[in-house]
Amino acid sequence: DSGVTQTPKHLITATGQRVTLRCSPRSGDLSVYWYQQSLDQGLQFLIQYYNGEERAKGNILERFSAQQFPDLHSELNLSSLELGDSALYFCASRGTADTQYFGPGTRLTVL
Amino acid sequence: KNEVEQSPQNLTAQEGEFITINCSYSVGISALHWLQQHPGGGIVSLFMLSSGKKKHGRLIATINIQEKHSSLHITASHPRDSAVYICAVDTGTASKLTFGTGTRLQVTL
Repeated sequence: DSGVTQTPKHLITATGQRVTLRCSPRSGDLSVYWYQQSLDQGLQFLIQYYNGEERAKGNILERFSAQQFPDLHSELNLSSLELGDSALYFCASRGTADTQYFGPGTRLTVL
Repeated sequence: KNEVEQSPQNLTAQEGEFITINCSYSVGISALHWLQQHPGGGIVSLFMLSSGKKKHGRLIATINIQEKHSSLHITASHPRDSAVYICAVDTGTASKLTFGTGTRLQVTL
């Protein structure tokens, strides 16, 4: 158990819909990273937050947004969903060392 | 060309065999990570390296910064080692990771 929690584990929705994925980092970790793992693109970095502020952006679509709240949990919002958004979405947290601890992932299926 | 290349893509070994997975990268890095992804999807961090060699149980990871190459070795492989092994590099920009495509390892009895 990495100490990082993600909900829900599975999400099935339809094209055009909006969903919110939630991540709680390890206790005391200030950094949260979001990654997408799809069959055709592999693992890709989406966005990073540190103590409530956006720190880095990767290949994140404009239809996607994220935020980190004062209690350090983070949410990834995906809107106007397309079939190609079906993927595993991981969050990871990092403390003072550089190791990232991954959550169990949310499997999103867009039908 | 991907910034992080792994080989082989797929690997089948018999229990007890010595296994090597290779990772080459083309960018400057502050650290390299080896990750293990189980069939259920969960990702576990195995090693983080910035130089030299690290060992944990039957796993050994090495890195050569000059050659931009890292290897992950598994000694006395076991069926429970069956997983996808992923190399990822930290370019130092916010410590975000760039990933290789993974090596799928299957260890049979």
